[in-house]
Amino acid sequence: AQRVTQPEKLLSVFKGAPVELKCNYSYSGSPELFWYVQYSRQRLQLLLRHISRESIKGFTADLNKGETSFHLKKPFAQEEDSAMYYCALNTNAGKSTFGDGTTLTVKP
Amino acid sequence: ETGVTQSPTHLIKTRGQQVTLRCSSQSGHNTVSWYQQALGQGPQFIFQYYREEENGRGNFPPRFSGLQFPNYSSELNVNALELDDSALYLCASSLGGLAGYYEQYFGPGTRLTVT
Repeated sequence: AQRVTQPEKLLSVFKGAPVELKCNYSYSGSPELFWYVQYSRQRLQLLLRHISRESIKGFTADLNKGETSFHLKKPFAQEEDSAMYYCALNTNAGKSTFGDGTTLTVKP
Repeated sequence: ETGVTQSPTHLIKTRGQQVTLRCSSQSGHNTVSWYQQALGQGPQFIFQYYREEENGRGNFPPRFSGLQFPNYSSELNVNALELDDSALYLCASSLGGLAGYYEQYFGPGTRLTVT
């Protein structure tokens, strides 16, 4: 069975500080991994996906198959980054698994 | 381009009743997934429909069923409602069916309360 774990429910950093949101997964096949973000009063939206290897809003995430992790990082957090972040795993059998999310608060 | 829409926004039902939730996909998308999100938890995958066929299902009982129509809109039906079914129900559309690397576009959700 596939599983996504986000060990931190809450994460608080100061503006300008680096931030890392952790995501660990378990899946026997080849995973497709995503980070979704939900800003206050907005719907869930894609932040980035590992297959595209791009940086969105300064965030990056590297898939580490050895450690089965897909941590989300940003070198300098901004107040507008405050949101709920979900890590998600898709399989090629049409199934998606989400973690329980991390609430990031960036303090001024 | 039209985004994903869901109806109704809120719904209150009594235990034992049946409910139907509706979702319109983003224009051009052929795949719809449904999720249940309880308070404080991430979305839990219920099932996915691709071109009118169910092609993936999570750990939900058969009283959770769905349909996808030729225009790719979708319905989620829940029979014999239980108090634990109270949650936010999210619909997401995407391209690609079985291909897991397509991003999902989420609707605003339907808040279901079972009393």
